[in-house]
Amino acid sequence: QKEVEQNSGPLSVPEGAIASLNCTYSDRGSQSFFWYRQYSGKSPELIMFIYSNGDKEDGRFTAQLNKASQYVSLLIRDSQPSDSATYLCAVTNSGGSNYKLTFGKGTLLTVNP
Amino acid sequence: DAGITQSPRHKVTETGTPVTLRCHQTENHRYMYWYRQDPGHGLRLIHYSYGVKDTDKGEVSDGYSVSRSKTEDFLLTLESATSSQTSVYFCAISGSGLAGERGYNEQFFGPGTRLTVL
Repeated sequence: QKEVEQNSGPLSVPEGAIASLNCTYSDRGSQSFFWYRQYSGKSPELIMFIYSNGDKEDGRFTAQLNKASQYVSLLIRDSQPSDSATYLCAVTNSGGSNYKLTFGKGTLLTVNP
Repeated sequence: DAGITQSPRHKVTETGTPVTLRCHQTENHRYMYWYRQDPGHGLRLIHYSYGVKDTDKGEVSDGYSVSRSKTEDFLLTLESATSSQTSVYFCAISGSGLAGERGYNEQFFGPGTRLTVL
């Protein structure tokens, strides 16, 4: 059973701080990694994806991938109250070509004004 | 929103009744997926489709069936609903649609259907 693990939180940070969200995965063959943001009562929204080891930056968001450690993280700089949401990590399954994702259970982030 | 709609958005039904949820997309995406989301379990794949009339099971497919007779519609059917199927159901799509720029691994979600089985 392929697994994606996330700390459920809640992770609480003050406004303006850096929020760091972490994810580990069990399938060593996974190639693609995604971060989704989900506000309460809403559907998941894709905010970042990363395919190669290292860092990928998009605005206030930075995704970091370390395939050797089977670890992916999301940094949110200058956190805002509007960033308060559940963040879901997802990874592709190795093998086949049917583009399935396995999701973690999510980390609840609260940004305090 | 990747042109995805789900209907109905909310439904209350009784145990033993059949229920069909519809996912409709307007951008010609090849892949479509049905997930359920439950507290403590996260998002779990029920079934997915990789083309018209091509479907396969996900990790929690028991009690569910799907059909895709045309590109734009993916139907999820609960043949005889049970209380354990009370959940929020999300449809997702992936694959290059009309815009052509989305990767096949990048999934985009519909607004969801909240189903309650009494």
